[in-house]
Amino acid sequence: EPEVTQTPSHQVTQMGQEVILRCVPISNHLYFYWYRQILGQKVEFLVSFYNNEISEKSEIFDDQFSVERPDGSNFTLKIRSTKLEDSAMYFCASGGRVSGNQPQHFGDGTRLSIL
Amino acid sequence: AQSVTQLDSHVSVSEGTPVLLRCNYSSSYSPSLFWYVQHPNKGLQLLLKYTSAATLVKGINGFEAEFKKSETSFHLTKPSAHMSDAAEYFCVVSTTTSGTYKYIFGTGTRLKVLA
Repeated sequence: EPEVTQTPSHQVTQMGQEVILRCVPISNHLYFYWYRQILGQKVEFLVSFYNNEISEKSEIFDDQFSVERPDGSNFTLKIRSTKLEDSAMYFCASGGRVSGNQPQHFGDGTRLSIL
Repeated sequence: AQSVTQLDSHVSVSEGTPVLLRCNYSSSYSPSLFWYVQHPNKGLQLLLKYTSAATLVKGINGFEAEFKKSETSFHLTKPSAHMSDAAEYFCVVSTTTSGTYKYIFGTGTRLKVLA
C-alpha cells in the first residue's frame, strides 16, 4: 500500500538555525498538509497546500514557516531561525485524489529537537 | 466551529474484554469523522471514517464506531482487546473553510491492555 514517507525521522538543531523537513506524499494525491504535535499536547494543523499554493494556514504558521513542492514529488516544511518552542513531532499528510475531504494519510513524523 | 472531545485521556482494559473509547463532536452541519491510531514512534494510521453513508462504520483490526446524531457521539469500540491494540487513539473531525479541508484532532485516549 502506498505510504507517505518523511525524512529525517529525528532532527536535532541549534536554536536560531534553519531546518527543512521533507515529505514524499502518495503519488496521485493532490492535497498536502503539515501538522505538529508538541510533547503531551494535541495534534495541531499547520498548513494545507493544493495546486502549488497554500490553501489555508493556522495562526502557528507565521513568517518563520514556509512550504514548498520543489519537484513534483517532495513536499517540504522550512522553519527559519528555530526557537525552543518549535520542538515537536511534525507530521506530513496527503489526501484527496478527488476532493479535500478524502481521508488524509500520514507519515511517521519527524521529531524536531531544538537545543 | 467544529470540534471533538475525547472524554477519557487513559483507558485500561484486560486482554479479551471489550474496548470503548468515547468521542463527542460539535458541528453545525453533518460532519466527517475519523478515528486514527498512533503506535509508539509511529505515524497516524486511519482506523475508520464516517462520511454520512452509514451510521455504523467498520474499520480495520476489528474496530467499529457508531455515529449517533442525537447524542453527538462517535464512540470507538472493539469486542475483544488484544495486546497489540495498546496505543493512542485520536478522534478527528474534518472541517472546511472555503472549500479547503483540515483536521481538528481530539486530545487523544491512551489505551492500555493488561495481560
